[in-house]
Amino acid sequence: GAVVSQHPSWVICKSGTSVKIECRSLDFQATTMFWYRQFPKQSLMLMATSNEGSKATYEQGVEKDKFLINHASLTLSTLTVTSAHPEDSSFYICSASRSAKNSPLHFGNGTRLTVT
Amino acid sequence: GDSVTQMEGPVTLSEEAFLTINCTYTATGYPSLFWYVQYPGEGLQLLLKATKADDKGSNKGFEATYRKETTSFHLEKGSVQVSDSAVYFCALQPQGGSEKLVFGKGTKLTVNP
Repeated sequence: GAVVSQHPSWVICKSGTSVKIECRSLDFQATTMFWYRQFPKQSLMLMATSNEGSKATYEQGVEKDKFLINHASLTLSTLTVTSAHPEDSSFYICSASRSAKNSPLHFGNGTRLTVT
Repeated sequence: GDSVTQMEGPVTLSEEAFLTINCTYTATGYPSLFWYVQYPGEGLQLLLKATKADDKGSNKGFEATYRKETTSFHLEKGSVQVSDSAVYFCALQPQGGSEKLVFGKGTKLTVNP
C-alpha cells in the first residue's frame, strides 16, 4: 500500500487565493521530503527540498515567497501556493524516503491544481 | 548540469509486442539510474534501478542495463500486457548520494488488446 499520502488529489481555486497541499509519510519518519512540479508532457522538476525543523532549500528559479514549505514534523510537509495564478496550474508531487542510507524514494499520488 | 533524455512518446503497442524505451543521460562520474512508472491516477513507483556500470535492473519482466560507454539505460520488455499501460520515467541520481533525482520527460505507453 501507499507509504506516502498526498492530499488533496485535486483542487480548483480562484486567482489570488492560497492553496495548501499536504504530504505525509505513513509508516516511517522522513527528515527530508521533496516537492516536484510536473507540467503537461514535461518531466518532473524539483522545486525544493523540505527539511524537518529547518528552512526548505529551493531550486534555482523557484520563488520562495510563492511556494511556502513547512516541515513541522517528521511525517508531514506542506506546500502552500500563495496568491495563486493560472500559470501555477500544474501537477505537484511530493516524495520522501526513510532515513536509512540508500532507501528508495516513495512518491505521493500527486495533486492536480487548477487555478481559474 | 545533469540531464536525462528519454524517447518521445506516446508509444502504442499491441499485447505481447516487444517494448523498448530509450534513455540516455548526461552526468559526471557514476550516477545511479532508475526507471519509474506512473499508472493512471497514481503516483510514481520505482520499477527498477542500477547503481553501477553494467548492472542490470529487472522487475515485472522489465529490464534495463546501465551502459557507461553509451551513457544509456534503455528499458525493455519482451512481451507487454495491457496492464503495462502507463507513463514511464527514466531518472538519475547524481553520484555522491544526494537524494535529488533528475527525471526525463516521461514516455506514455498504451498497450492495446
